[in-house]
Amino acid sequence: GESVGLHLPTLSVQEGDNSIINCAYSNSASDYFIWYKQESGKGPQFIIDIRSNMDKRQGQRVTVLLNKTVKHLSLQIAATQPGDSAVYFCAENMSGTSYGKLTFGQGTILTVHP
Amino acid sequence: EAQVTQNPRYLITVTGKKLTVTCSQNMNHEYMSWYRQDPGLGLRQIYYSMNVEVTDKGDVPEGYKVSRKEKRNFPLILESPSPNQTSLYFCASSLRYKVENTIYFGEGSWLTVV
Repeated sequence: GESVGLHLPTLSVQEGDNSIINCAYSNSASDYFIWYKQESGKGPQFIIDIRSNMDKRQGQRVTVLLNKTVKHLSLQIAATQPGDSAVYFCAENMSGTSYGKLTFGQGTILTVHP
Repeated sequence: EAQVTQNPRYLITVTGKKLTVTCSQNMNHEYMSWYRQDPGLGLRQIYYSMNVEVTDKGDVPEGYKVSRKEKRNFPLILESPSPNQTSLYFCASSLRYKVENTIYFGEGSWLTVV
C-alpha cells in the first residue's frame, strides 16, 4: 500500500541554524497532513498541520510547506534550539474526508548541537 | 492538566501471561486509540474507539483486545503475549474521530515479552 516516507533519517544542525525536515507521500488523495515531534521517552506531540488546499502554513518558529506537484512535505524550524532535538515525523490522512485515520511516517532524528 | 495516562510505563513479562495496559484520559474525549511503535515501521494503529461501547480494528489488531465501557478508559489487553508483541505502545485520544481534532498521546508503555 501507499505510505508516508522520509528522505533523511537523521539531521544534525548547530544551535541557531534553520532546520528543514522532509517527507514524501505517494497518495495523491491525501488532503491533510500533520507534523509531530517526539522527544525521548515521551509520546508524540502535535506541531503543525496543513490541508491540501494550502501551500504553506506558519506557526511559532515552524513553517510547513506542501508541494502537491511532487507530493512533498517539509517542516522548517527557524533558529533551532537544543530543545528542538527530537524525532519528527509526518502523518497523512489518505481518506480524502475528515473521518479518516492517519498514516504515520517513520521519523527523522533531529540533533541540535550547542 | 489535560493528559492521557498509561500504566504501566515499563513491563517485562513472559510468553502467555495475560496482561492489561490501562489508558485513561481526563479531557472527555470521544475518540481513543492504541498504537504500537517499532523501529523502521513508525506508529501503527492497533484498535480504536469512536465512543463508549464502539470499538474497531486498526491495522495490526491480531493478538490484542480492547474494551470501552467508560468514556475515559480504554484498556489494551494481551490475552497471551508473544515475543513479537515486544514494542512501545501509545494510547491516544481526541475530541472526536475527525482528523483535524488534535490527537493527544500518552507517554508510552515499553513492553518486553520474553
